[in-house]
Amino acid sequence: KAGVTQTPRYLIKTRGQQVTLSCSPISGHRSVSWYQQTPGQGLQFLFEYFSETQRNKGNFPGRFSGRQFSNSRSEMNVSTLELGDSALYLCASSLGPWSEGDYGYTFGSGTRLTVV
Amino acid sequence: AQRVTQPEKLLSVFKGAPVELKCNYSYSGSPELFWYVQYSRQRLQLLLRHISRESIKGFTADLNKGETSFHLKKPFAQEEDSAMYYCALLQSAGGTSYGKLTFGQGTILTVHP
Repeated sequence: KAGVTQTPRYLIKTRGQQVTLSCSPISGHRSVSWYQQTPGQGLQFLFEYFSETQRNKGNFPGRFSGRQFSNSRSEMNVSTLELGDSALYLCASSLGPWSEGDYGYTFGSGTRLTVV
Repeated sequence: AQRVTQPEKLLSVFKGAPVELKCNYSYSGSPELFWYVQYSRQRLQLLLRHISRESIKGFTADLNKGETSFHLKKPFAQEEDSAMYYCALLQSAGGTSYGKLTFGQGTILTVHP
């Protein structure tokens, strides 16, 4: 059974550009969450999508956006990149809304974004 | 606002010694708590969730609502336990919730031979 797949693994962009990251969840998983991981701030929640709708959002500026497709794949977009956006972006998938008994969230390996 | 605190950034023990990784949380609702582990060059993996009360790789964690803690323990540490450990809190309401995990800053555990 394939895990959570994130592409690309590495990206280098310059300030002011925009970037799109992709996440393919585990087959059958319908919920996709995104996290930013940096040495200074640790792991921070960006947003979650379920059934193509954003269900929850973290405290990030509007430059960070995402979407989910009918096959549950998700993309995350960051516009007008800043140096501080350099981070590992992690995607996690789950069956659906959390409920007791749910196994939880499975994480991908991440996309390492470097902004220069 | 919910918050997760892992007071130790680094923890070193010798093989065979007991280990305890501390986690304290702040949350007004009913907490759903997890421990995730990240081994070197590997992805973040779920280690434990408090509702299952199971032991994984010899690790256990007990939720103490009075002390708002969810410490991770293992009686005899092994070298392969060396990794980064994250405590995480999930918002839940009425038994269902969309996922918003709040992570602690993590503790790097090093087990020396």
